[in-house]
Amino acid sequence: GNSVTQMEGPVTLSEEAFLTINCTYTATGYPSLFWYVQYPGEGLQLLLKATKADDKGSNKGFEATYRKETTSFHLEKGSVQVSDSAVYFCALSQGGSEKLVFGKGTKLTVNP
Amino acid sequence: DTAVSQTPKYLVTQMGNDKSIKCEQNLGHDTMYWYKQDSKKFLKIMFSYNNKELIINETVPNRFSPKSPDKAHLNLHINSLELGDSAVYFCASSQVGTGKSYGYTFGSGTRLTVV
Repeated sequence: GNSVTQMEGPVTLSEEAFLTINCTYTATGYPSLFWYVQYPGEGLQLLLKATKADDKGSNKGFEATYRKETTSFHLEKGSVQVSDSAVYFCALSQGGSEKLVFGKGTKLTVNP
Repeated sequence: DTAVSQTPKYLVTQMGNDKSIKCEQNLGHDTMYWYKQDSKKFLKIMFSYNNKELIINETVPNRFSPKSPDKAHLNLHINSLELGDSAVYFCASSQVGTGKSYGYTFGSGTRLTVV
């Protein structure tokens, strides 16, 4: 079945550091890929998405590129802020049911 | 206006009780979902309804029963609550397009604690 593997956390960075959170997936065909963010005590918010190979999703300084050859969708940000502290989830969906399969989440803490 | 709203936000109850969580979306989406997030933050789909029809029913104890009176509402009723049911339950909605995925809009969650 479909699955998503993302790097184990927690990740702790200093403000203005470069961020990479790795995500790889297993799926047949061409899934759509997503990154969601969950701030403390809140629900999940869609951060960015990509629906086909080589698409780049971007939002709020975060980027991820859909790499079919490596089945990856790594999240990057050039300069993190304290306000980026949250749990980040990689996810995929496939087919008309829109069922989202999530990775286990990576907790990011950014220190001033 | 809250796009996907869940009530209650917190629910503390004793083992063996029956409880319900309500969800409403005002986005005009045709599909709604219930997800369970455990203490390690892992998210797993429980149910999905498309236009009031059940389309996804994962391996969930039959003590859990979803109900969708219309496409804007999806409620979750839980019978005979157990300690292991303690979790955060998220409602979500999406518009299922043909061959495209638009992503979900999530509610803010209901933290259920069974004591």
